[in-house]
Amino acid sequence: DQQVKQNSPSLSVQEGRISILNCDYTNSMFDYFLWYKKYPAEGPTFLISISSIKDKNEDGRFTVFLNKSAKHLSLHIVPSQPGDSAVYFCAASAKETSGSRLTFGEGTQLTVNP
Amino acid sequence: EPEVTQTPSHQVTQMGQEVILRCVPISNHLYFYWYRQILGQKVEFLVSFYNNEISEKSEIFDDQFSVERPDGSNFTLKIRSTKLEDSAMYFCASSLGLAGSHEQYFGPGTRLTVT
Repeated sequence: DQQVKQNSPSLSVQEGRISILNCDYTNSMFDYFLWYKKYPAEGPTFLISISSIKDKNEDGRFTVFLNKSAKHLSLHIVPSQPGDSAVYFCAASAKETSGSRLTFGEGTQLTVNP
Repeated sequence: EPEVTQTPSHQVTQMGQEVILRCVPISNHLYFYWYRQILGQKVEFLVSFYNNEISEKSEIFDDQFSVERPDGSNFTLKIRSTKLEDSAMYFCASSLGLAGSHEQYFGPGTRLTVT
């Protein structure tokens, strides 16, 4: 099942710089996208989301961009901090109403070096 | 801040035994979910639950799995006869259920080890 794909298993950036995490999807029915952050031995923590009717959503240091024609989304973290080091998952939902399943990507391990 | 809780954090069981994983969703949430993550693999959807019945389930959620909301706060996942391949992290999640709101909030997980 490759409906949501994160092609980079890992990313390393310097503190203060921008982190860009990428995600691609194949299912045209997906209409809502979410990013989660996960530390070892914890559950995924919701970060930010975007509806398919938008192309950008911003929350503090986190911005998600959606390119529907390319079926691509990205998460930008500016400035990156060492505490941002975690696994980041992209997820997608395919229903207009709440309560539908999330389909996850494989995750990208972000390491922010001091 | 309200959070989803899960017990136990780690469960070890023998193949063929029944296990029950427990979750307390966020109190005003209406939708409840179970996901699992086998080591080294993606987080996979198992089942969603709304208004005291299953609203959606995946192909993984076969007859050996069941879910229940036995009271006003708990949400459980039962695996009737565990197999080695059921070893995974099991995450419970809940969501508000408002129109346009798809955010699901996850618990810390239960690590199930089947020997």
